[in-house]
Amino acid sequence: GAVVSQHPSRVICKSGTSVKIECRSLDFQATTMFWYRQFPKKSLMLMATSNEGSKATYEQGVEKDKFLINHASLTLSTLTVTSAHPEDSSFYICSASILAGPSPLEEQFFGPGTRLTVL
Amino acid sequence: KNQVEQSPQSLIILEGKNCTLQCNYTVSPFSNLRWYKQDTGRGPVSLTIMTFSENTKSNGRYTATLDADTKQSSLHITASQLSDSASYICVVRPYNYGQNFVFGPGTRLSVLP
Repeated sequence: GAVVSQHPSRVICKSGTSVKIECRSLDFQATTMFWYRQFPKKSLMLMATSNEGSKATYEQGVEKDKFLINHASLTLSTLTVTSAHPEDSSFYICSASILAGPSPLEEQFFGPGTRLTVL
Repeated sequence: KNQVEQSPQSLIILEGKNCTLQCNYTVSPFSNLRWYKQDTGRGPVSLTIMTFSENTKSNGRYTATLDADTKQSSLHITASQLSDSASYICVVRPYNYGQNFVFGPGTRLSVLP
């Protein structure tokens, strides 16, 4: 099956620094990539949707200047948490989607997640 | 408002037993419904995907059912194993691809020896 990787898997940083998280589709070209945030024992919350070469679409309440998304290619998207604060500590998950199958049915494959801890 | 609800919130069963998780949704019209398994500290992994015209889909010991009339889906796990301990998330894709996936809150399953 399709594989989506994230790097790093976990990161600890000081308050005020910026952190970049990479999301790669390893064996397919993604139509769209999504970024989610997940708090403990809660479900995924969509932050933004991005297509290669265009600006990301952010969900209501998500600060686009705080969470910078760059979708450089069909296989790579990055999320940069700028001037991180302790409340930004969370589990960040990306996913990549591709149209597949005879329908076609949009498949969405998730990365393993990145745990961010801001001290 | 498009919503997905799941029940129970959490469930504890003994290894080898069967269980059924429920998903109710208000997304309409919808394109497809998915069940994902998410291990702690990991990203979700797809178990089943059903279009609105399908009633059931199996993947090994996992069987999902869908009743589009009542807007309900269930995920049945047979002969549970310790490795089934995870969160199970129901996700609905609206028919309008301009709308994003709608995630349920998940059911946390614990399988005990």
